[in-house]
Amino acid sequence: EVQLVESGGGLVKPGGSLRLSCAASGFTFSSYSMNWVRQAPGKGLEWVSSISSSSSYIYYADSVKGRFTISRDNAKNSLYLQMNSLRAEDTAVYYCARDRGWNDPWFDPWGQGTLVTVSS
Amino acid sequence: DIQMTQSPSSVSASVGDRVTITCRASQGISSWLAWYQQKPGKAPKLLIYAASSLQSGVPSRFSGSGSGTDFTLTISSLQPEDFATYYCQQANSFPRTFGGGTKVEIK
Repeated sequence: EVQLVESGGGLVKPGGSLRLSCAASGFTFSSYSMNWVRQAPGKGLEWVSSISSSSSYIYYADSVKGRFTISRDNAKNSLYLQMNSLRAEDTAVYYCARDRGWNDPWFDPWGQGTLVTVSS
Repeated sequence: DIQMTQSPSSVSASVGDRVTITCRASQGISSWLAWYQQKPGKAPKLLIYAASSLQSGVPSRFSGSGSGTDFTLTISSLQPEDFATYYCQQANSFPRTFGGGTKVEIK
């Protein structure tokens, strides 16, 4: 069964840092591009970042560029999001999602999400 | 950046009704469009990709159409489990962008 499990969320003060992880299983992780998408409480979905299978291509939303870093470890079947200089507006549930396939850039499946709360 | 505009933002409907949701892109995206369903407290689920292709396991009452800038998600006969929020998303270019969502509520 294909599964994505996020971890690392929690409460952090403005200006602080947090590292999210996404553990993948049930598929050949190294063959797929991966993504982070977030959802602020009561709001819609916002794409955050994407990374290609070999980490050759990385993209960020303007809202997080320069503060967040996406990475992956194909040997550990894991995706990461290092979040620095956190702001109140970064408060959200963060989902990791796999691309459906090669040149198949649809988000499927998704993890269950991990909540990040930025507050003093 | 490509802006995605969904309408309506909410719709009240009854079981058995036909429901149509529209999504407009600020520039042409060919068929690089997906639809997702999200229920409260759950992760989104892919319903339709490439504008009109049904994801495996999704009931055939869901269908998608359109290309270029105008797209439609149709639920042919609304079922109790379909009450949820629906999002469109473009995959033509980065940054990926989502529509604002359409909440389908019980009438």
